Amino acid sequence: AQRVTQPEKLLSVFKGAPVELKCNYSYSGSPELFWYVQYSRQRLQLLLRHISRESIKGFTADLNKGETSFHLKKPFAQEEDSAMYYCAPRAGGTSYGKLTFGQGTILTVHP
Amino acid sequence: DAGVIQSPRHEVTEMGQEVTLRCKPISGHNSLFWYRQTMMRGLELLIYFNNNVPIDDSGMPEDRFSAKMPNASFSTLKIQPSEPRDSAVYFCASSFGGGSVYEQYFGPGTRLTVT
Repeated sequence: AQRVTQPEKLLSVFKGAPVELKCNYSYSGSPELFWYVQYSRQRLQLLLRHISRESIKGFTADLNKGETSFHLKKPFAQEEDSAMYYCAPRAGGTSYGKLTFGQGTILTVHP
Repeated sequence: DAGVIQSPRHEVTEMGQEVTLRCKPISGHNSLFWYRQTMMRGLELLIYFNNNVPIDDSGMPEDRFSAKMPNASFSTLKIQPSEPRDSAVYFCASSFGGGSVYEQYFGPGTRLTVT
């Protein structure tokens, strides 16, 4: 069965500290992986996707197929990073873009 | 473009009443998704449509839930009868199914409270 796990519901760090939001998945085939973010009073939106190998707002995420993980990392957290983060794999084939979201991690960055 | 539009933004109703949530996807998008967000379960996919056709409704919790997409610019999610455990934020999202992008654009959500 397709499954995605974000083990931490809440994560607190201080400004300037490194942050890592964990995501593990169990998927057949080769899924594509995404991170979505929901800032306070804003819509849920795409943060980054693994196929782009991009860094957005200082965040990066490396797909580790051996460990089936897609952890989101940032070396120096900022207060504006406080938000809800969702890891979301997408199966290939005729899934029409269906995403399976994890339970989410609420990140709080303290000043 | 106003993005995905949902109405109402807030709904408070009594147990047993019918609730209808509405969604207007982004023009040109051909996939539409309904999600439910709760603290306990996170973001759950309820149902999704492609070209107005329901593709997967396995996430719909019970027969009390139904969804329709009569045309490319409108979808509804109905709960009848509503129960207190249906209280949640319901999101609609749309995407254009082309290439490998499949970015989903979310609406602002409808916060449903069933008393």
